[in-house]
Amino acid sequence: GAVVSQHPSRVICKSGTSVKIECRSLDFQATTMFWYRQFPKKSLMLMATSNEGSKATYEQGVEKDKFLINHASLTLSTLTVTSAHPEDSSFYICSAREPSGKQVDEQFFGPGTRLTVL
Amino acid sequence: KQEVTQIPAALSVPEGENLVLNCSFTDSAIYNLQWFRQDPGKGLTSLLLIQSSQREQTSGRLNASLDKSSGRSTLYIAASQPGDSATYLCAVITNTGNQFYFGTGTSLTVIP
Repeated sequence: GAVVSQHPSRVICKSGTSVKIECRSLDFQATTMFWYRQFPKKSLMLMATSNEGSKATYEQGVEKDKFLINHASLTLSTLTVTSAHPEDSSFYICSAREPSGKQVDEQFFGPGTRLTVL
Repeated sequence: KQEVTQIPAALSVPEGENLVLNCSFTDSAIYNLQWFRQDPGKGLTSLLLIQSSQREQTSGRLNASLDKSSGRSTLYIAASQPGDSATYLCAVITNTGNQFYFGTGTSLTVIP
């Protein structure tokens, strides 16, 4: 299957700083990427849908000014957690949709980024 | 809104046992259902993908079934091994949104 990478895999930052997480599709072009958040021992919750060349679509309850998403190319989407606070500490996972011409395209998940805000 | 539930939340079995994990979803208008494995602190590993027109998929010791009309799927693991210990997540994709709805997960421990 297709490969999706995330960088960094782990980041620790001080409260009030901003952190950028990258999601890359390595061997295919992804017009759409998704960002998920996972709290300890909880399931994944969709935060936003990232569309190449246009604004991201955020799920209800997700602050778009807090979680900035940029999808500037067909292989890269970035999630920036602005003015991070300890409650933003979580596991962030992205997925990328590989266009297949089908009604619903298969998605491939990145390995995740563990964010810890001190 | 689609809701996905997995039962049990946790399961502990001795090595060699066969086991079944359950997944239920509220909206049967799904495109496909996918089972994932997640090791602690790691990302997702796709195990099996069942399209809505299919009844089951098999890979090695794993067999997943889908009953779309009743909103249920099961993941059967044969001859469990300690290496199978992980959290298992099921997720459905709707016909319209390309959005995954994840279940709450089952934490499996296989005791040597």
